[in-house]
Amino acid sequence: GAVVSQHPSWVICKSGTSVKIECRSLDFQATTMFWYRQFPKQSLMLMATSNEGSKATYEQGVEKDKFLINHASLTLSTLTVTSAHPEDSSFYICSVRSSYNSPLHFGNGTRLTVT
Amino acid sequence: AQSVTQLGSHVSVSEGALVLLRCNYSSSVPPYLFWYVQYPNQGLQLLLKYTTGATLVKGINGFEAEFKKSETSFHLTKPSAHMSDAAEYFCAVSGQGAQKLVFGQGTRLTINP
Repeated sequence: GAVVSQHPSWVICKSGTSVKIECRSLDFQATTMFWYRQFPKQSLMLMATSNEGSKATYEQGVEKDKFLINHASLTLSTLTVTSAHPEDSSFYICSVRSSYNSPLHFGNGTRLTVT
Repeated sequence: AQSVTQLGSHVSVSEGALVLLRCNYSSSVPPYLFWYVQYPNQGLQLLLKYTTGATLVKGINGFEAEFKKSETSFHLTKPSAHMSDAAEYFCAVSGQGAQKLVFGQGTRLTINP
């Protein structure tokens, strides 16, 4: 069964609005979750590492004020795209790791379209 | 620093033929290597991984890969392609502890009937 649940699977929003994407670890407590972004026909780019109970670590070039990450519990991390613009349209995927050295489990992704 | 290069953005094979997807990596530390598969509009599913030990690793769906340190390669193979193998395949590298993954550009595999 699924290890990671990501919701919603797709969302359409208007420019200037904010969108929240949830990532839930179903089978284990995840102290660390990762958020990736994937443009059409391209690879996954790590956006940020979400740490439970502390601030997320953002990759170079990712605006932390635009992509707000909250990891308030061991099973839930949220990514909020604030003041969305059409160029934010993309496929966002979260992943979790059950323990050190274990492989990542990925959610099914969220396709965001900003009109 | 780490990087991954997947040779060939698109590979097409006939059903029943050998599948070979190429991956070369660069890593300043002993690498952990992974192959993931992605179906349209879905997340990634782990096919197999190499961390330490045996260099030939077997994964799900009949896939296997061999870690060759001298060639800095981790090519993915399957002896006989099936129509259901059509998907996007990503090679990825990380340092010990499977920390942040760095992905290759992906290879789209098409299976011809």
